[in-house]
Amino acid sequence: QVQLQESGPGLVKPSQTLSLTCTVSGGSVRSGGWYWTWIRQHPGKGLEWIGYIYYSGTTYYTPSLQSRVTMSLDTSKNQFSLRLTSVTAADTALYFCAGGTYYDEDWGQGTLVTVSS
Amino acid sequence: EIVLTQSPATLSLSPGDRATLSCRASQSIDKYLAWFQQKPGQAPRLLIYDASLRATGIPARFRGSGSGTDFTLTISSLEPEDFAVYYCQQRSNWPPFTFGPGTKVDFK
Repeated sequence: QVQLQESGPGLVKPSQTLSLTCTVSGGSVRSGGWYWTWIRQHPGKGLEWIGYIYYSGTTYYTPSLQSRVTMSLDTSKNQFSLRLTSVTAADTALYFCAGGTYYDEDWGQGTLVTVSS
Repeated sequence: EIVLTQSPATLSLSPGDRATLSCRASQSIDKYLAWFQQKPGQAPRLLIYDASLRATGIPARFRGSGSGTDFTLTISSLEPEDFAVYYCQQRSNWPPFTFGPGTKVDFK
């Protein structure tokens, strides 16, 4: 079991870029076969899968966000990151990072990001 | 994109009751379905993967079944800590790996 911890600004202005980092401990982001995933949850709503970055660096993003999302790995810091550009109030949510060999076995506690001027 | 529907939206039960939650996929996903439990203020927790396999540390009262398009999560006898929201997620060959809208199990 690995531990994950999200970090990043809790407040982002509209039209700016949301940047979050997930720090992994108890395992390596380079571990073969591991998927590193971002999921978000709008206030009082269900879970929305944003996308994943595979240990190899391959990414897949959900189509509705694909034009604005970038995920990356930082193997030197054992982290993976999410960038979401041109944010609006609709991007206000609790953002979770998760990891697993296929299913999302381990999760961070989540970080709330509010988009507001 | 594969769409998951869950029913019922809310299940009102008492401790000791049996809970039966349903998840239906818009197309066949073979066995590639997971169930998660989420309590208020917490991250989701993986309960079941590959439709019927319990994740590490998950009690035997949680049982998953189904394949293709129809899946069920059964909690044989509800404990007080089982009152939560349950989500299914498909992990078929084709992302996005969508979640269902959730079923809330609350106290009757």
